[in-house]
Amino acid sequence: GQSLEQPSEVTAVEGAIVQINCTYQTSGFYGLSWYQQHDGGAPTFLSYNALDGLEETGRFSSFLSRSDSYGYLLLQELQMKDSASYFCAVSFPGSYQLTFGKGTKLSVIP
Amino acid sequence: DVKVTQSSRYLVKRTGEKVFLECVQDMDHENMFWYRQDPGLGLRLIYFSYDVKMKEKGDIPEGYSVSREKKERFSLILESASTNQTSMYLCASTGERSAKNQPQHFGDGTRLSIL
Repeated sequence: GQSLEQPSEVTAVEGAIVQINCTYQTSGFYGLSWYQQHDGGAPTFLSYNALDGLEETGRFSSFLSRSDSYGYLLLQELQMKDSASYFCAVSFPGSYQLTFGKGTKLSVIP
Repeated sequence: DVKVTQSSRYLVKRTGEKVFLECVQDMDHENMFWYRQDPGLGLRLIYFSYDVKMKEKGDIPEGYSVSREKKERFSLILESASTNQTSMYLCASTGERSAKNQPQHFGDGTRLSIL
C-alpha cells in the first residue's frame, strides 16, 4: 500500500534549524510535496521535489532521495510563527489524488 | 490570488439530518477534492471530481456523496449524519488533470459537529 511516515511531534528552539523527515513505503510516484498548516487554518503548499536532491525556498529547503525512500523538510532560522503542522504528500501517474502523511506538529520555543 | 471558499467555518447538526457542505473556487480549476481531517489521522480523501458532473471515490466515501453541477462549485453531502462524522472538512482544488506537481489550494475548512 501507500504509506508515508512522519514523526508526530517535534520541538525546536527559536533561531535553530530543524529537520522533519518523511519516509515512505511506496514507489512510482511523481514527486514529494510539503504543506504547512497552522492551528485552525488551511494547509498551504510549501515545496515540491520532482527529482532527487535539494530544493531551496528562502528559509525552507526540501530534499528527496528515491533510492533511500526518504525525504525531509529543513527549516532554518526558526521563528515562532513556524509553529504549525507539516505534511508530506505524494502523487501518482494517472491519478488526480495526493496521498498525505499524518503530519508533524512543530513547536518552536523561545 | 487563488481563492477556495467554504460556506461555513462551524456547523452543528443533529444525528440523522442531511447535511450539505459547499465549496467554491474562483480559479477555473478542473479538479476539486473533499477531505476530512482528524487528530492523528491526517487528511483523508473522501471524494474528488475532475470535471463537471464527474466524481470519483476517495479512500473513505462511505456515508458521503458529492455533487458537481458547475465547474466552480463542489458540494459534499452527508446523507444521514452520524456522530462519527464529526470532523474538520477541507475542500481543495487544482488546475490540471494530473496532480503531478500542481499544488492543491485549500479552503479554510468547516468544523462540523454532529450531536
